[in-house]
Amino acid sequence: KNQVEQSPQSLIILEGKNCTLQCNYTVSPFSNLRWYKQDTGRGPVSLTIMTFSENTKSNGRYTATLDADTKQSSLHITASQLSDSASYICVVSDRGSTLGRLYFGRGTQLTVWP
Amino acid sequence: EADIYQTPRYLVIGTGKKITLECSQTMGHDKMYWYQQDPGMELHLIHYSYGVNSTEKGDLSSESTVSRIRTEHFPLTLESARPSHTSQYLCASSRRDSTDTQYFGPGTRLTVL
Repeated sequence: KNQVEQSPQSLIILEGKNCTLQCNYTVSPFSNLRWYKQDTGRGPVSLTIMTFSENTKSNGRYTATLDADTKQSSLHITASQLSDSASYICVVSDRGSTLGRLYFGRGTQLTVWP
Repeated sequence: EADIYQTPRYLVIGTGKKITLECSQTMGHDKMYWYQQDPGMELHLIHYSYGVNSTEKGDLSSESTVSRIRTEHFPLTLESARPSHTSQYLCASSRRDSTDTQYFGPGTRLTVL
């Protein structure tokens, strides 16, 4: 069964600290993996996208890694800011259909305290 | 910032009413999607469209219906709302390629009393 599991479910950190969010998936065949940021009451916004051959991708203070062999990904946030408070969702796409079906994790709810 | 819009943002309505959630995008994307999301849960695909006059049901069974008469417009309709329909509804769009990023609207928070 194609699944995406994220951990931790929630995380509280102090402003300026770093953190790492985890994503494990069983989706096959694999096409790509995206990390989305979803602010409360808003739609998700794409942060990074990685294909099978990529093992790291950065977007400002966000750095995503991918280990396609172990089917694991992480999102590292450096020097956190209050505006980083949001849900971070791992999304894996398969290439088994023309739709490019997406499998969503439940997200990690990050809270950054001043 | 993606050019995809949803109205209304919030809707509180009584049981049995007919409602239409609007979604429009100005990016010329062929593919559009409707997702349902409950608090703390993953997004579930309920409808999608490859283009004009194309609509398909998604993974999660839904009593709602959709139409795609114009490329930019993908409304979702509930003929008779029930409390079990209370949820957040997110619309998204993407280009033709299945690997393209989906751009999401801000969502409609629906509450059925």
